[in-house]
Amino acid sequence: ETGVTQTPRHLVMGMTNKKSLKCEQHLGHNAMYWYKQSAKKPLELMFVYNFKEQTENNSVPSRFSPECPNSSHLFLHLHTLQPEDSALYLCASSQVRDTSTDTQYFGPGTRLTVL
Amino acid sequence: AQSVTQLDSHVSVSEGTPVLLRCNYSSSYSPSLFWYVQHPNKGLQLLLKYTSAATLVKGINGFEAEFKKSETSFHLTKPSAHMSDAAEYFCVVRRDNAGNMLTFGGGTRLMVKP
Repeated sequence: ETGVTQTPRHLVMGMTNKKSLKCEQHLGHNAMYWYKQSAKKPLELMFVYNFKEQTENNSVPSRFSPECPNSSHLFLHLHTLQPEDSALYLCASSQVRDTSTDTQYFGPGTRLTVL
Repeated sequence: AQSVTQLDSHVSVSEGTPVLLRCNYSSSYSPSLFWYVQHPNKGLQLLLKYTSAATLVKGINGFEAEFKKSETSFHLTKPSAHMSDAAEYFCVVRRDNAGNMLTFGGGTRLMVKP
């Protein structure tokens, strides 16, 4: 678990607040990911960054804004969220090599509650 | 397109008895398949992965999975359950032609009774 860290672990915010989730990986990987885990739904990929460039935006609403300043850090900026955005947000990282598959390593997640 | 179906949302076993968590997949290409485990309030941890080498894959904590192409299955097994195995388990397939994109199954919650 120490390979990928996430802060805060818990966050409660109102619909008009602005907050940010932070993820840091200590594994020397070149790709980072944001996932949303809601109750009774499969894990949903939100964003993918390869070599700090966003390569996937899985139709995520604009109230979620990712930022990847370097290959070790990933942020998810939140503003004007809705109660249905309450979920566990998981960050992951991996080392992408050509066409071979890679293993994604996950952080412990941020439990977000939107009031 | 690829998809993953975990056939049981909940499985309950007694400590010391075998564990079987079922997973079926569909993929247009030779798939890469994974099993992850998530303990309460923790992130996902990789148990094992199949990447077209041996069809019987051994993972951590005594778990193993067998890739059966004819049945499009990748079931997870363990000979003897421990209380510490109680968690949620996810079967995952790598998306076709997308090296770092994964599709997750809906998860199976494993309960272990003393």
